[in-house]
Amino acid sequence: DVKVTQSSRYLVKRTGEKVFLECVQDMDHENMFWYRQDPGLGLRLIYFSYDVKMKEKGDIPEGYSVSREKKERFSLILESASTNQTSMYLCASSIVAGDGNEQFFGPGTRLTVL
Amino acid sequence: AQSVTQPDIHITVSEGASLELRCNYSYGATPYLFWYVQSPGQGLQLLLKYFSGDTLVQGIKGFEAEFKRSQSSFNLRKPSVHWSDAAEYFCAVARGGLSFGAGTTVTVRA
Repeated sequence: DVKVTQSSRYLVKRTGEKVFLECVQDMDHENMFWYRQDPGLGLRLIYFSYDVKMKEKGDIPEGYSVSREKKERFSLILESASTNQTSMYLCASSIVAGDGNEQFFGPGTRLTVL
Repeated sequence: AQSVTQPDIHITVSEGASLELRCNYSYGATPYLFWYVQSPGQGLQLLLKYFSGDTLVQGIKGFEAEFKRSQSSFNLRKPSVHWSDAAEYFCAVARGGLSFGAGTTVTVRA
């Protein structure tokens, strides 16, 4: 079974802090994604990556950056956390490029910014 | 721009009754369409997907969905709902990443 793990289930940070959310997948997937989930808005794509050291902006990249130094790891970075970034963050991975491939999701990190 | 609309925010259904969740998409080409389910405290799980071919697709847990190009719809159905089907359901279209609808919460009453 594909396993996508996220470093924390719950995280509380202060406004202005730099925040790192880590995601690791164990199935050698090429593609990795970061979403945020908010009530009434569903999931929205922040960034994705098709390969190591490669990244593409999603629908809401403002205030976020990403890093992919190794194939299995994809990090989401909040350079200066703000209260409007309080949300559930979900990481996903899928095999090879192509829109038709199933994405496998991690359990999510619930981030609260005070 | 592509978008996905789930018109129903919340649906309540009796156990054993049928369920239909609506999904409409806006997309310029033949879309790749998905339905995911998120049970309380759980991650997202793929129920089924449509790429091409037969417009009625079968998924896990007894769910099926029908793609109707003329109506730009991909509605999810289950003939007889179980209490364990209480969850939030998301329709999504693929274009790079996934573009999700806002979700429909399903409550099952005994």
